[in-house]
Amino acid sequence: EAQVTQNPRYLITVTGKKLTVTCSQNMNHEYMSWYRQDPGLGLRQIYYSMNVEVTDKGDVPEGYKVSRKEKRNFPLILESPSPNQTSLYFCASSLPGRGSPLHFGNGTRLTVT
Amino acid sequence: AQSVTQLDSHVSVSEGTPVLLRCNYSSSYSPSLFWYVQHPNKGLQLLLKYTSAATLVKGINGFEAEFKKSETSFHLTKPSAHMSDAAEYFCAVSEKGYSTLTFGKGTMLLVSP
Repeated sequence: EAQVTQNPRYLITVTGKKLTVTCSQNMNHEYMSWYRQDPGLGLRQIYYSMNVEVTDKGDVPEGYKVSRKEKRNFPLILESPSPNQTSLYFCASSLPGRGSPLHFGNGTRLTVT
Repeated sequence: AQSVTQLDSHVSVSEGTPVLLRCNYSSSYSPSLFWYVQHPNKGLQLLLKYTSAATLVKGINGFEAEFKKSETSFHLTKPSAHMSDAAEYFCAVSEKGYSTLTFGKGTMLLVSP
């Protein structure tokens, strides 16, 4: 089954404790992206990657890192999480081209206390 | 720069009545436009997309949207609402290379019996 898999689904952590949210897709998509969703703000892009070893900042990259060492994986790293990073995070992937729809994972709900 | 405005944060309808969710966009180029639906505790699912072909686009579950360049609009409609349509709906635009989507803030559709 074609899918984007995120782990974990739920995560509670404390301020300053490094964490990684994993994302993997099995559709051989070149493009991958991370979004955060907050009430009343919709989805905002954090980082995206056009291909292996090619990443770029989205609209809200502060406090996040990403890497793209393999085509299928695109982990999101929070080196020193803070409470304002409490949010619902989505990973997505697609084929290249502006008409290609994004395929989304089921989300990771992160709480930073 | 691209942007999307969803004109209503909440829309309430009765089951069996028409649905209209409004979306206006801003784009410097010929855009691709998308509607996604998000059910509770789920990821986003593509409803339909416009990519410069027919201006009236049909999607899944009986939804359709019409691209109106003169009005910079891409409103989502359905002739008859069903209880299972209750969800949050997001309009998105892409004009850049690859699939960088900019999302609106979402419209929550409430369907009453």
